[in-house]
Amino acid sequence: EVQVVESGGGLVQPGGSMKLSCAALGFTFSNYYMAWVRQAPTEGLEWVASISTGGTTTYYRDSVRGRFTISRDNAKSTLYLQMDSLRSEDTATYYCARHYYDGSNYYALFAYWGQGTLVTVSS
Amino acid sequence: DIQMTQSPHSLSASLGETVSIECLASEGISNYLAWYQQKPGKSPQLLIYYTSSLQDGVPSRFSGSGSGTQYSLKISNMQPEDEGVYYCQQGYKYPLTFGSGTKLEIK
Repeated sequence: EVQVVESGGGLVQPGGSMKLSCAALGFTFSNYYMAWVRQAPTEGLEWVASISTGGTTTYYRDSVRGRFTISRDNAKSTLYLQMDSLRSEDTATYYCARHYYDGSNYYALFAYWGQGTLVTVSS
Repeated sequence: DIQMTQSPHSLSASLGETVSIECLASEGISNYLAWYQQKPGKSPQLLIYYTSSLQDGVPSRFSGSGSGTQYSLKISNMQPEDEGVYYCQQGYKYPLTFGSGTKLEIK
């Protein structure tokens, strides 16, 4: 069974740092693009960042570029999100998600999601 | 960035009814459009990818259509378990963007 399990959320002060992890189970992690998607309380979904299979190509939304770093360790089947210079507007549930692959083509959409980890930025 | 305008914001339907949700992209997205369902306290679930392809395990009462900038999700024969919030998402160009969501309730 395909599973992605996030960890590392919690309360952090504005300007602080936090690192999220996502453990991948039940599939060959190194074959898939991976992503982080967030959802502020009572709000909609917002894509944060994606990373290629080998980790050499990354994509970020403008509001986090330069502050957040997505990375992966294929040997450990783990995805990471290093978040620095955190702001109150970064408060959200952060989901780890696997990009979709239908056997022939990759799509920039999300077939599997974790349960999410809540990050609260507050003093 | 590609803006995704989703409508309606909320919708109520009777059991057995057919409902449609629309998504308008600010530019052409070449059918790279997905639909998700999210229930309270749960993570989103993929329903449809590439405009009209049904994800494994999703009931056939869900269907998608569209092209260019206009896309829609149709739910036929509304069931109680279909309550939730539905989001569209374009996968054509980074940054990936979602619609604002449609809350679907049973009347």
